[in-house]
Amino acid sequence: ELKVEQNPLFLSMQEGKNYTIYCNYSTTSDRLYWYRQDPGKSLESLFVLLSNGAVKQEGRLMASLDTKARLSTLHITAAVHDLSATYFCAVGYGGSQGNLIFGKGTKLSVKP
Amino acid sequence: NAGVTQTPKFRILKIGQSMTLQCAQDMNHNYMYWYRQDPGMGLKLIYYSVGAGITDKGEVPNGYNVSRSTTEDFPLRLELAAPSQTSVYFCASTTPGQGYEQYFGPGTRLTVT
Repeated sequence: ELKVEQNPLFLSMQEGKNYTIYCNYSTTSDRLYWYRQDPGKSLESLFVLLSNGAVKQEGRLMASLDTKARLSTLHITAAVHDLSATYFCAVGYGGSQGNLIFGKGTKLSVKP
Repeated sequence: NAGVTQTPKFRILKIGQSMTLQCAQDMNHNYMYWYRQDPGMGLKLIYYSVGAGITDKGEVPNGYNVSRSTTEDFPLRLELAAPSQTSVYFCASTTPGQGYEQYFGPGTRLTVT
């Protein structure tokens, strides 16, 4: 059974600081996704990582995938208040069905 | 493009009532999914479909049914609503050509009392 664990589940940061969110998963997969969710809103796709060693960056966020370690990271550089949200990683399974297993999410709060 | 749309946005049901949550997409995606999100939790897959006429169960299908008669629409039916079905329901769609990146609708917040 595929399990996806994120840590930390809660993260309070000061503006300007750096931090990393970790996403570990239990069985082989080469598809890893990061989503952002604002309170009361839907999920917004941030990154799609489809191969070992994949690295993608958008603004202050950078995501990477190590399929051998079954680990993805979401690195936040010089956090700003606008990054406050819940971040989910999701791992692909089930071959061609495109199914995802989601982690529980990391609630990020960036304080001035 | 409207993307993925869901109706209604909010609904309160009494125990034992039934309802259908509507989901439609205009991106010509073959793959569609229904999830539920409970407070403080990630999303759990209820049902999915890889094309018109093809549906299959996800992690938590009990108490729900789906149908897929067209590529665009993927309604979720709740029969005999129970308090345990109080949740936020999200519909999503994707296509293999986009790395199975799922696009989500705005959600339906359902309360069963």
